[in-house]
Amino acid sequence: GAGVSQSPSNKVTEKGKDVELRCDPISGHTALYWYRQSLGQGLEFLIYFQGNSAPDKSGLPSDRFSAERTGGSVSTLTIQRTQQEDSAVYLCASSSGQGIYEQYFGPGTRLTVT
Amino acid sequence: ILNVEQSPQSLHVQEGDSTNFTCSFPSSNFYALHWYRWETAKSPEALFVMTLNGDEKKKGRISATLNTKEGYSYLYIKGSQPEDSATYLCAFESNAGNMLTFGGGTRLMVKP
Repeated sequence: GAGVSQSPSNKVTEKGKDVELRCDPISGHTALYWYRQSLGQGLEFLIYFQGNSAPDKSGLPSDRFSAERTGGSVSTLTIQRTQQEDSAVYLCASSSGQGIYEQYFGPGTRLTVT
Repeated sequence: ILNVEQSPQSLHVQEGDSTNFTCSFPSSNFYALHWYRWETAKSPEALFVMTLNGDEKKKGRISATLNTKEGYSYLYIKGSQPEDSATYLCAFESNAGNMLTFGGGTRLMVKP
């Protein structure tokens, strides 16, 4: 079956512009996660959605970052007024639900802020 | 801030060598320890999810052990092959939430 998909695969934007990154999780997966990997850094948690519960936003680095998940499926991560330090690979993952489940990752979006 | 450390950062081995890497993580609030393999230009691929102290999991030539009391896990690769070249990530899942805290990874390069 289809895995997690993300779009775009690459995005180059100018400093100060807003960007939207999209994630399509595996069908039926109730949990969705956003992570990012900045240059030279490890994977860093950003935000977590589980079913209809309020998202866990504890990893968002600033109020310029927001995410939503419509209809319990597709998620959009929005970065407003992008800065150069936002340049990173943004990864989305989904899993079957709460508890001990593997997270399945998408291919990522490479964001470059010039 | 949770501290998840992996060592070594990178490793070069010859084809056929066996190798192992270490992941250390907090011994409190443990829920699960995940291992992923991440090849360049691909998605991270789940290898193991480990939950019980003393657990040992195996997939082909790759195996992993878990010690939750002292907070470490080892990943072993027997008879490394060039296709094993990748970054191996461990991730700690606490009982306070399902997000993963990743280590910095071990980059393995296997020379033919």
